[in-house]
Amino acid sequence: EVLLLQSGGGLVQPGGSLRLSCAASGFVFNTYALKWVRQAPGKGLEWVSEISASGTTTYYGDFAKGRFTISRDNSRGTVFLTMTNLRVDDAAIYYCAKGEMRGEPARIDYWGQGVAVTVSS
Amino acid sequence: QSVLTQPPSASGAPGQRVIISCSGTNSNIGSNYVYWYQQIPGAAPRLIIHRNDQRPSGVPDRFSGSRSGTSASLAISGLRSEDEVDYYCASWDNNLSGVIFGGGTKLTVL
Repeated sequence: EVLLLQSGGGLVQPGGSLRLSCAASGFVFNTYALKWVRQAPGKGLEWVSEISASGTTTYYGDFAKGRFTISRDNSRGTVFLTMTNLRVDDAAIYYCAKGEMRGEPARIDYWGQGVAVTVSS
Repeated sequence: QSVLTQPPSASGAPGQRVIISCSGTNSNIGSNYVYWYQQIPGAAPRLIIHRNDQRPSGVPDRFSGSRSGTSASLAISGLRSEDEVDYYCASWDNNLSGVIFGGGTKLTVL
């Protein structure tokens, strides 16, 4: 069974930083890309970032470029999202996610439980 | 502002068929697969259509997807009260080099 267990959400002040973690199990971790998707309160889904299986290739939504960094530790089966210079409009539920098929970045079959990020002074 | 355009709402009576549209461009729907997600408020989304028109295991055949040119559609037949949730389309965008979601459609079963 694929499990994505997230941690690291919380309250941060504008301009602050936060690191989200996602510990994965139930599949061969170093053979799948992983991604982050967020959802602001009362809003729709928004793709944040994706990292390739090896960790050598990353993609970011425009709002995340230069502020967010996705990374992974294949030895620990964990993917991270480090967020800096956080803004009020970054407040959202952040989901760690994985697709069943390689090469289909918009496909998400498995989701973490989601963690809340609140940005407020 | 979403690159994929969905109607914010849709509705239908129990037992009826409803279609939710998703409009894009040649850089996304026109050249990449479309996916549809169903989301109950407060829960993580669930994949209900992949590769334009394929249903994952466990998704009822009341749900069907199609793609034509730069648009896609999700059809739900035999509407049930439990279908009254939110639906999102998604695709890869070649120009943005990223995944894009539609703004979401809230379905009401009258």
